[in-house]
Amino acid sequence: NAGVTQTPKFRILKIGQSMTLQCTQDMNHNYMYWYRQDPGMGLKLIYYSVGAGITDKGEVPNGYNVSRSTTEDFPLRLELAAPSQTSVYFCASGRYTEAFFGQGTRLTVV
Amino acid sequence: ELKVEQNPLFLSMQEGKNYTIYCNYSTTSDRLYWYRQDPGKSLESLFVLLSNGAVKQEGRLMASLDTKARLSTLHITAAVHDLSATYFCAVDSARQLTFGSGTQLTVLP
Repeated sequence: NAGVTQTPKFRILKIGQSMTLQCTQDMNHNYMYWYRQDPGMGLKLIYYSVGAGITDKGEVPNGYNVSRSTTEDFPLRLELAAPSQTSVYFCASGRYTEAFFGQGTRLTVV
Repeated sequence: ELKVEQNPLFLSMQEGKNYTIYCNYSTTSDRLYWYRQDPGKSLESLFVLLSNGAVKQEGRLMASLDTKARLSTLHITAAVHDLSATYFCAVDSARQLTFGSGTQLTVLP
């Protein structure tokens, strides 16, 4: 099993550009999460989903959007990228809050 | 709002020594997780603690949970260099995980 797969692994965006971070899991987990990790810090929850068609905001949702049309996929959309969104983004999935993490996407906004 | 505090934030210890990392949290929860993160890597699940008094051990690491004190500990026994990493605790509240800031552990020869 691949587990949680994130693409891309690295990306540089210019201020004001938009992009979608992809996340796919093959473990049939209902719960999926997006976190961001700033240098030397813990993880902050951006959005989460408890099943297809259901999403909810976490601690730091501003500037992001998500959708969950299938159990497997949970893409994260950045609209109008800003330097404050420079971070490492982790997607995770689980049957409940026990989360299994992807390898991360390192995003730099310049 | 749930707050999760870890201490120490940085820990240098010599091989062979013992030490404990503490994780305090501010609201009621009976589900706590410990993760390990190597530099530039993702998070690896170490322990899942699901009830008061839970104790889990794996190799030189032992984790415990006291829900009444809102405290979890991660004890390191006879540290070895391979344990050098950042350790995070994460507390479950309302279907969300709130992470501590992490403890960066360096084991010196």
